[in-house]
Amino acid sequence: DTGVSQNPRHKITKRGQNVTFRCDPISEHNRLYWYRQTLGQGPEFLTYFQNEAQLEKSRLLSDRFSAERPKGSFSTLEIQRTEQGDSAMYLCASSSMDGSEDYGYTFGSGTRLTVV
Amino acid sequence: SQKIEQNSEALNIQEGKTATLTCNYTNYSPAYLQWYRQDPGRGPVFLLLIRENEKEKRKERLKVTFDTTLKQSLFHITASQPADSATYLCAPRPSGTYKYIFGTGTRLKVLA
Repeated sequence: DTGVSQNPRHKITKRGQNVTFRCDPISEHNRLYWYRQTLGQGPEFLTYFQNEAQLEKSRLLSDRFSAERPKGSFSTLEIQRTEQGDSAMYLCASSSMDGSEDYGYTFGSGTRLTVV
Repeated sequence: SQKIEQNSEALNIQEGKTATLTCNYTNYSPAYLQWYRQDPGRGPVFLLLIRENEKEKRKERLKVTFDTTLKQSLFHITASQPADSATYLCAPRPSGTYKYIFGTGTRLKVLA
């Protein structure tokens, strides 16, 4: 297992276009998270899944953002009608929990989105 | 609203000294708190997790303390090295949720 994989690493798109990012978590991890990070800020929570169920979504997330995790494996994050304010690093993380025990996140290297 | 504060200014220390980074949180009662390291252009890397019933956790040259009364966590790197230069992020996990909320991070620079 090579950790959490995110594709693409970089994406440049024109304003108004749709983009989709993919995240492949560590195979035995049942939780998957999406965060967004802008320069000088910490990662901002977007949404998370337990297996295939999306359990929480940030209220900051507009209807233009949607995430899926079919079959509880990889996940996709889609942004429709991109705006310049969507430019950021999009980070995916996965984690496992054993009962109530929390072992922390493993992050991918992120997808850097630039909207021009 | 829930708020996390980390020193926004960079911390410069001499090699071999102990670096101490502070994380203060308000309107939280976190059950867990994590510390991460982040290098430019990379995703954060997990370092340590401490639970609300633990006062201190150590891992090699790293030590984390968690004071739920003061609502503060301290992160220490002993015998610091230039390779420790990075941004360090604090992330408490509020009770009743499985998501972590991140601070803005503190940039550490260890001078040779």
